[in-house]
Amino acid sequence: AQSVTQPDIHITVSEGASLELRCNYSYGATPYLFWYVQSPGQGLQLLLKYFSGDTLVQGIKGFEAEFKRSQSSFNLRKPSVHWSDAAEYFCAVGAYKGGGNKLTFGTGTQLKVEL
Amino acid sequence: GAGVSQSPSNKVTEKGKDVELRCDPISGHTALYWYRQRLGQGLEFLIYFQGNSAPDKSGLPSDRFSAERTGESVSTLTIQRTQQEDSAVYLCASSLASSGGAVTDTQYFGPGTRLTVL
Repeated sequence: AQSVTQPDIHITVSEGASLELRCNYSYGATPYLFWYVQSPGQGLQLLLKYFSGDTLVQGIKGFEAEFKRSQSSFNLRKPSVHWSDAAEYFCAVGAYKGGGNKLTFGTGTQLKVEL
Repeated sequence: GAGVSQSPSNKVTEKGKDVELRCDPISGHTALYWYRQRLGQGLEFLIYFQGNSAPDKSGLPSDRFSAERTGESVSTLTIQRTQQEDSAVYLCASSLASSGGAVTDTQYFGPGTRLTVL
């Protein structure tokens, strides 16, 4: 069965600083990887996804993620964080089976941005 | 267009009562998913509907949980005889499933229903 680990429960960065959120996955086949963001009172919003091809994926809001098969990682990065980026971030791996894409999520990383 | 909507946004109930949670997917989306998010944990898959196919119920934690979907529209998640461990945010997502549920489909999430069982 697939699993996702997000080792950092909380991260605090200063506005304008760079950001990297870690994600490690376990999956027996080619992984389909996602990053979602959840702001207070909001549903999850897809930031980016990886299925195949270029291992560096660009997403919305200036985020990018790099798939590294050798490290089973899919870390999320942003070169300069804005205060509005404060939210909870979830990494997920998708298992396509029987017509459904069931996502397995990590426990999330809560990002705090200091002004 | 409108996104995925869920109702109620909050539900407080007493242990042993039944509850119904509603999800309105994005119009035209054939796939619908229910997830549960317990405090401090990631989302857990519960159930998946795709068109008129039999739903994938593999994530339902017990027979107290059930879900229905009318065609390709509204879905209801029912929890019977609620227990305190059922307290969580229940999230619904829908996707276009344009390729019969291909993994490339993006799931769009609703804001969730926060269920508190006293």
